[in-house]
Amino acid sequence: GAVVSQHPSRVICKSGTSVKIECRSLDFQATTMFWYRQFPKQSLMLMATSNEGSKATYEQGVEKDKFLINHASLTLSTLTVTSAHPEDSSFYICSAGGGQGYVEAFFGQGTRLTVV
Amino acid sequence: GDSVTQMEGPVTLSEEAFLTINCTYTATGYPSLFWYVQYPGEGLQLLLKATKADDKGSNKGFEATYRKETTSFHLEKGSVQVSDSAVYFCALSDGGSEKLVFGKGTKLTVNP
Repeated sequence: GAVVSQHPSRVICKSGTSVKIECRSLDFQATTMFWYRQFPKQSLMLMATSNEGSKATYEQGVEKDKFLINHASLTLSTLTVTSAHPEDSSFYICSAGGGQGYVEAFFGQGTRLTVV
Repeated sequence: GDSVTQMEGPVTLSEEAFLTINCTYTATGYPSLFWYVQYPGEGLQLLLKATKADDKGSNKGFEATYRKETTSFHLEKGSVQVSDSAVYFCALSDGGSEKLVFGKGTKLTVNP
């Protein structure tokens, strides 16, 4: 199957700083990627759809200015959590479709963000 | 909108026991259905999938059948192992998009 790599796997940052998370499709091109957030012991909630070469589409209730998404190439999408606060601490996961021939999405390893 | 309702856990079984995790869905179109598994501290891995009614997805001893008449996609395994301990998510995608709607997840613990 297709491989999606997410980096970093863990990050601890101070309150008020910004953190960037990268999501790469390693062996295929992804015009669309998705960013999810997972709260402890809860399901994954879609935050936004990242579109290569255009603006991301955010789900209702997600702050665009806080969660900046950039999809500058066909293999890389980034999520930047700006001015992070402790309530932003969570597990963030990206996914991408595998391209032609795949109906399923492939997920990165996830990033555990802790804001102190 | 589309939604997935999944049996809530946690579920605790002994090794070699039979597993069923119920999943039902609502969708406006003809969705593809998936089961994903998440091991502690990791991302999601596709366990199995089905793209149309009556399809049976299977992998690693797990099975699920796409039942359109009951809008269900229940996960089953005849004999679980300790290594199956994980969180299992039922999900759907609709309209050909890879955007997924997830159930709440079911944590499975298998004891030796």
